[in-house]
Amino acid sequence: GAGVSQSPSNKVTEKGKDVELRCDPISGHTALYWYRQSLGQGLEFLIYFQGNSAPDKSGLPSDRFSAERTGGSVSTLTIQRTQQEDSAVYLCASSVAFSGGREQYFGPGTRLTVT
Amino acid sequence: AQSVTQLGSHVSVSEGALVLLRCNYSSSVPPYLFWYVQYPNQGLQLLLKYTTGATLVKGINGFEAEFKKSETSFHLTKPSAHMSDAAEYFCAVSAENAGNMLTFGGGTRLMVKP
Repeated sequence: GAGVSQSPSNKVTEKGKDVELRCDPISGHTALYWYRQSLGQGLEFLIYFQGNSAPDKSGLPSDRFSAERTGGSVSTLTIQRTQQEDSAVYLCASSVAFSGGREQYFGPGTRLTVT
Repeated sequence: AQSVTQLGSHVSVSEGALVLLRCNYSSSVPPYLFWYVQYPNQGLQLLLKYTTGATLVKGINGFEAEFKKSETSFHLTKPSAHMSDAAEYFCAVSAENAGNMLTFGGGTRLMVKP
C-alpha cells in the first residue's frame, strides 16, 4: 500500500519568506509526527497530532513554526519568516496509534534550503 | 526526560565481518527502543524494536539487538556485513507517557569495505 508522502521533495526559499510543507500519512493512521533533521542538531521532534486531540507542540523551536492537520489526515507544517538556520530536512511520520511503542512510518522528507 | 547516546559517529567494517553499533539510553520510565536505518536521500526505515517481552529482538536484513536494562543498552549487531548495509543507523527511545514521540541518538554511519 501507499506509504507516507511528502511534498515538495525540495524547497529553496529566500530568507524572510514563508514556506508550507505537506505530509500525507498512511490511511487510517491516527498519529502523525513531524521531525527535523539537520547537520548541527541531528533528528529532533517538532510536533505530533493524535486523532482530534490538541497537538503536542513542545518541540517547535520558535513561534515562527506552526502546523495543522485537517480532517485527521493531511498535515501542513508552516514556517514563517524563514531563517538560514531553518535549513534542514523535515520528516513526517505516521503511526497506527500513539501508544504501545507502535512503529512510526517515515516519509522521504522535504529538504528545505533558505538562502 | 529521555536521551540516547550512540558511541561512534562512524564505524567501518570489512564485508563479512561482525557489525556492532552501540546505543545507550536514559529513561525515567520503561522505554520502547528502536533502531532505524537511513539510506542516502531517503526517509527512515525501521530495523527492529523492543517494547516488552523477549529482550533479544530480531529485525530485517539479519540484524538483531538485545535490551539490557542493567546496562541501559540496546546494541545492534549483525554477524556478517554486506556492502548493502552501508547506511546511517539511528537508535531511538520513546515512552508510553510521552506520546510515543521518538528521541534519537546522533546516528552512526556504517561503512563496509570490500
